[in-house]
Amino acid sequence: GAGVSQSPSNKVTEKGKDVELRCDPISGHTALYWYRQSLGQGLEFLIYFQGNSAPDKSGLPSDRFSAERTGGSVSTLTIQRTQQEDSAVYLCASSRAGGGFNTEAFFGQGTRLTVV
Amino acid sequence: AQTVTQSQPEMSVQEAETVTLSCTYDTSESDYYLFWYKQPPSRQMILVIRQEAYKQQNATENRFSVNFQKAAKSFSLKISDSQLGDAAMYFCAYRAGGTSYGKLTFGQGTILTVHP
Repeated sequence: GAGVSQSPSNKVTEKGKDVELRCDPISGHTALYWYRQSLGQGLEFLIYFQGNSAPDKSGLPSDRFSAERTGGSVSTLTIQRTQQEDSAVYLCASSRAGGGFNTEAFFGQGTRLTVV
Repeated sequence: AQTVTQSQPEMSVQEAETVTLSCTYDTSESDYYLFWYKQPPSRQMILVIRQEAYKQQNATENRFSVNFQKAAKSFSLKISDSQLGDAAMYFCAYRAGGTSYGKLTFGQGTILTVHP
């Protein structure tokens, strides 16, 4: 696609429910990242995918959080048994493979998750 | 671990004037990249400017320039001839260099207000 697409744009869920957030990266981008932005804060790294594998999951805050990527394209971030502290904007970014200087990460518009 | 600090939660500037946003970082690496991102209310992160650590020359992109002081681990952003469209949250970010993948470490952000 033309850009990184995330859905839904906004999600309100009840505490204890499971939610799935979707990221559709730019076509051909093998690297995909999830970040979390809590209110008024910077972005916090969650997980990195290269293709379908996740060599760095170090940012996932608890075992309630999981993510997968299929076909080297779409990724889903799943939060089980949501808590109020999970309320945040979840941003996805994609880039070409590698970490060179000119490898720019392109971000989606995020999903604003509100847990009530 | 690398850390990025933005000590100015909010800044304001008059249209057509110049403003400087501050950023300091901490790393033991010698090869790394630094970035400034802009986040308007749409939430989408937009790359403003980037700098390679081993280049002493400060990066410039039109009205945006940086003052990179490697020894001091400082990376400030100067916006000249400020425009109303520059109003946004600005994030400083760090990325390890070499063949490392593109995980970004962000500062807490600075909200920039531009007054007409």
